[in-house]
Amino acid sequence: SQWGEENLQALSIQEGEDVTMNCSYKTYTTVVQWYRQKSGKGPAQLILIRSNEREKRSGRLRATLDTSSQSSSLSITGTLATDTAVYFCATYNTNTGKLTFGDGTVLTVKP
Amino acid sequence: NAGVIQTPRHKVTGKGQEATLWCEPISGHSAVFWYRQTIVQGLEFLTYFRNQAPIDDSGMPKERFSAQMPNQSHSTLKIQSTQPQDSAVYLCASSLGGTGGNQAPLFGEGTRLSVL
Repeated sequence: SQWGEENLQALSIQEGEDVTMNCSYKTYTTVVQWYRQKSGKGPAQLILIRSNEREKRSGRLRATLDTSSQSSSLSITGTLATDTAVYFCATYNTNTGKLTFGDGTVLTVKP
Repeated sequence: NAGVIQTPRHKVTGKGQEATLWCEPISGHSAVFWYRQTIVQGLEFLTYFRNQAPIDDSGMPKERFSAQMPNQSHSTLKIQSTQPQDSAVYLCASSLGGTGGNQAPLFGEGTRLSVL
């Protein structure tokens, strides 16, 4: 597997709290795509971040990418119960478009 | 834009039967991907088409699995002689297919295959 064991985790928090999810990867990449998957649905795109961006924001979401440590993070501020989902990071091969997924983080936000 | 459409949403087959899963990519997208999702293995890449041509099938099991893309509007994943271990959610995704990381694939809602 190209992913570190620390990718497999489950988090349970209260609505309104902030949360940060981390992932690390072994194969060099310059692009990481974060996805969110709700029960019974396919993964939905959240943020795509490139190595020259280091940080990218979209609403309550913030992604970081550190190619030197081969790690990425996704933070959500002011979580809502509707943020309950599995969050995946994936390395993105810019030549082929192929994604390689990490194990994901199961996030439960309690109202 | 209806997104990536996968049919059926749920398919139940008996062991040894054939299953065909359908995917309609987003209009104008030239790249189509198939992934398989299970609790144990997570999201696994199966195969990939660009402009209907097979590019990378490195994730496909060598036996019983095949994928085609006969035209730009649909792709199929066929599993012959299904086995219980084939039970999974099969996800199709499409993208514009350009290089440079401008757009990662967009996923359909998947087909849940249950082999009894």
